[in-house]
Amino acid sequence: DARVTQTPRHKVTEMGQEVTMRCQPILGHNTVFWYRQTMMQGLELLAYFRNRAPLDDSGMPKDRFSAEMPDATLATLKIQPSEPRDSAVYFCASGWRQRQYNEQFFGPGTRLTVL
Amino acid sequence: RKEVEQDPGPFNVPEGATVAFNCTYSNSASQSFFWYRQDCRKEPKLLMSVYSSGNEDGRFTAQLNRASQYISLLIRDSKLSDSATYLCVVTIFTDKLIFGTGTRLQVFP
Repeated sequence: DARVTQTPRHKVTEMGQEVTMRCQPILGHNTVFWYRQTMMQGLELLAYFRNRAPLDDSGMPKDRFSAEMPDATLATLKIQPSEPRDSAVYFCASGWRQRQYNEQFFGPGTRLTVL
Repeated sequence: RKEVEQDPGPFNVPEGATVAFNCTYSNSASQSFFWYRQDCRKEPKLLMSVYSSGNEDGRFTAQLNRASQYISLLIRDSKLSDSATYLCVVTIFTDKLIFGTGTRLQVFP
């Protein structure tokens, strides 16, 4: 049963610290997405990649956030420096481009708390 | 104005009831439409796609009205296990999914 995996599942850190979240997409999927979910804003797309190339990161605060795909099996999202307003659940999702049908499979999320 | 709007609920219904959720989207260029389900403290999962002709999957029926920019989800014979948040999702020309904030459903015995 192929799944998207994310680590860590929970992270508590202090303001100003660097946070790195990792995602392993489903093997064979060519598109990877990073989302952030908060009670107030719901699910927001931060960035996404196709075939490891960044396609859109317009939803991401550029000054402190960065997203990369060092290889096809790993996507990372970094926050440096972290701030309390970054506290949220961060989901990674993967999918494949198949005509107009673009189901995305979500990982379990990283629950981040910045104190 | 949000691109995808939903009534946040909660909708509290007894087992066996029929419940309907509505969703409106603002961009007439929206191409694809979905309902995702999210259980408490879990990740969203695709429930069903929504087609112009309407589609049904067991107890679930989805409808799309492009003229009114309106999507609906009908759940018949509600089960306790249907309790979750239902997310309305649209895409516009790209792979980007635009999520509504969700409608919470609570089914009670």
